[in-house]
Amino acid sequence: NAGVTQTPKFRVLKTGQSMTLLCAQDMNHEYMYWYRQDPGMGLRLIHYSVGEGTTAKGEVPDGYNVSRLKKQNFLLGLESAAPSQTSVYFCASSYPRVSGANVLTFGAGSRLTVL
Amino acid sequence: SQQGEEDPQALSIQEGENATMNCSYKTSINNLQWYRQNSGRGLVHLILIRSNEREKHSGRLRVTLDTSKKSSSLLITASRAADTASYFCATDGRDTGRRALTFGSGTRLQVQP
Repeated sequence: NAGVTQTPKFRVLKTGQSMTLLCAQDMNHEYMYWYRQDPGMGLRLIHYSVGEGTTAKGEVPDGYNVSRLKKQNFLLGLESAAPSQTSVYFCASSYPRVSGANVLTFGAGSRLTVL
Repeated sequence: SQQGEEDPQALSIQEGENATMNCSYKTSINNLQWYRQNSGRGLVHLILIRSNEREKHSGRLRVTLDTSKKSSSLLITASRAADTASYFCATDGRDTGRRALTFGSGTRLQVQP
């Protein structure tokens, strides 16, 4: 099992360019998430999905769009990149248990720099 | 806004010593989790404690939870150089209907060999 795979691992963009980060999981997880991590700020939730075809906004959704057309994939798009979106992006997935416990499995991260 | 805040922000100890990290949160929770992040890597789940539990152990890890004070602590006993990492607490966010986790800002632990 590969777990959660993110592509690309590194990307440099110019302001105004667009790009898509791809997250793929092979664990048949229902829930998927996109977080961003900035120095000293921990992880902040951008968008999440509780199933194929569904998406919802997190804490910092502005400037990002997402799609979950297939259960195993969760795409994060930047339509017009800004320097403030320079960050490390983490995808995660989970299979919520009947008990309510929701343990996340994370990808290795994608480092994005916007010049 | 950050649900969890860790304290201290950074901690440096010698191998063999114990490391204690604290986490405070703001709203009611069903459970609290601790994750570890090695430099340049993704987060890895360590341990989960439910709101009706006060203490939980897993190997060299001991987690306590005080829901009246909205705080948790993670104790790593007999630390090793390989324990050097950042540690984050995470709570099931009420804002997302408990469907997503809210993470604190983390504690950077450095274990000197």
